[in-house]
Amino acid sequence: KNQVEQSPQSLIILEGKNCTLQCNYTVSPFSNLRWYKQDTGRGPVSLTIMTFSENTKSNGRYTATLDADTKQSSLHITASQLSDSASYICVVSINDYKLSFGAGTTVTVRA
Amino acid sequence: ETGVTQSPTHLIKTRGQQVTLRCSSQSGHNTVSWYQQALGQGPQFIFQYYREEENGRGNFPPRFSGLQFPNYSSELNVNALELDDSALYLCASSFGLAGASYEQYFGPGTRLTVT
Repeated sequence: KNQVEQSPQSLIILEGKNCTLQCNYTVSPFSNLRWYKQDTGRGPVSLTIMTFSENTKSNGRYTATLDADTKQSSLHITASQLSDSASYICVVSINDYKLSFGAGTTVTVRA
Repeated sequence: ETGVTQSPTHLIKTRGQQVTLRCSSQSGHNTVSWYQQALGQGPQFIFQYYREEENGRGNFPPRFSGLQFPNYSSELNVNALELDDSALYLCASSFGLAGASYEQYFGPGTRLTVT
């Protein structure tokens, strides 16, 4: 069983609307939790990195939250743009060298 | 652009062959990690090299091996290719260990197809 589960698997939103992606993890303890954006056929690009003691972190229109008690994180996209169409991957650091990746949520933004 | 490059972009190999994939890290980065990403899945950790030594490995057999050079470029070698090895192979470099809170910069990947 994957240690990082993401939902939904995919979603479609209209340009300008907001959306929230969910990440549940079973890794404990962990060092940090990251969110990446991956365009089709490209490498992932980091959006946020949070340590276990942080509750929220923003990067422009992207805001990540973390609840270490419930082992949940979310990524909120505000005022979506067509360029936000991508896969969003939640990643949990297991130890100094190993990162556990979720399968990702595919977001499609339509005009 | 992240400053991390990979070559080749695509390649096709036959089952049983051997392949070498290359990664050029961002300047000054002493850590490189390799990942395998199957279609529609998240990346799976293969191994990490820190200052030219392997210091962590995921659930991959020994036929997956690597090297990191003094200039911090690196190679991923896969022997006895199997059909299931078909995937996007990603390398990522950072100033420190991948699991610590260091930013990881990914290359664009190499798409390997095994027939």
